[in-house]
Amino acid sequence: DGGITQSPKYLFRKEGQNVTLSCEQNLNHDAMYWYRQDPGQGLRLIYYSQIVNDFQKGDIAEGYSVSREKKESFPLTVTSAQKNPTAFYLCASSMSASSSYNEQFFGPGTRLTVL
Amino acid sequence: AQTVTQSQPEMSVQEAETVTLSCTYDTSESDYYLFWYKQPPSRQMILVIRQEAYKQQNATENRFSVNFQKAAKSFSLKISDSQLGDAAMYFCAYRSMQGGSEKLVFGKGTKLTVNP
Repeated sequence: DGGITQSPKYLFRKEGQNVTLSCEQNLNHDAMYWYRQDPGQGLRLIYYSQIVNDFQKGDIAEGYSVSREKKESFPLTVTSAQKNPTAFYLCASSMSASSSYNEQFFGPGTRLTVL
Repeated sequence: AQTVTQSQPEMSVQEAETVTLSCTYDTSESDYYLFWYKQPPSRQMILVIRQEAYKQQNATENRFSVNFQKAAKSFSLKISDSQLGDAAMYFCAYRSMQGGSEKLVFGKGTKLTVNP
């Protein structure tokens, strides 16, 4: 089955530790995205990548880093510089980033809790 | 920068009745996309319906339809014959048609409760 997988579903981290959230897709999509969701808030874009080996900051990139070494993978690292990392993180992908419409498909999400 | 506003944090509807969720947005662009996403308790984001701004006809998907008022920058979602499975968070989202990015801008969401 084609889709987007995120692991783990729940993640706990001690303050001061970096942690990496996994996102994999087998849809052969060029573009991938990371969103953060907080209670009472909509989704906010952290980083996005339109093509392998390229990515751009979104609206709330501070304290996060990403890599895009393979088309199917777009891991997100939450660093110790992120002051309030407890949140729900959603990964998405779309066929390409262009002016024509390409639906974004979302993964099931990872709930990160900082202890 | 574009913004999306959902003024109803929570709404409720009786099963089989109709409910309308509101969304307004702010943009200086003339061409763009608008979306409604559903997020059930599983937290999986599901696309409900989309509207291209250049189309005057309101989009419809089965029991879901929109009222798109471009001049007023309003994009409401109507759910007819509400079902228990419609209970979820609903997010309105905006996407520019300018090439190079499919960045979505989301509203804060409306929690819909369906009463049996």
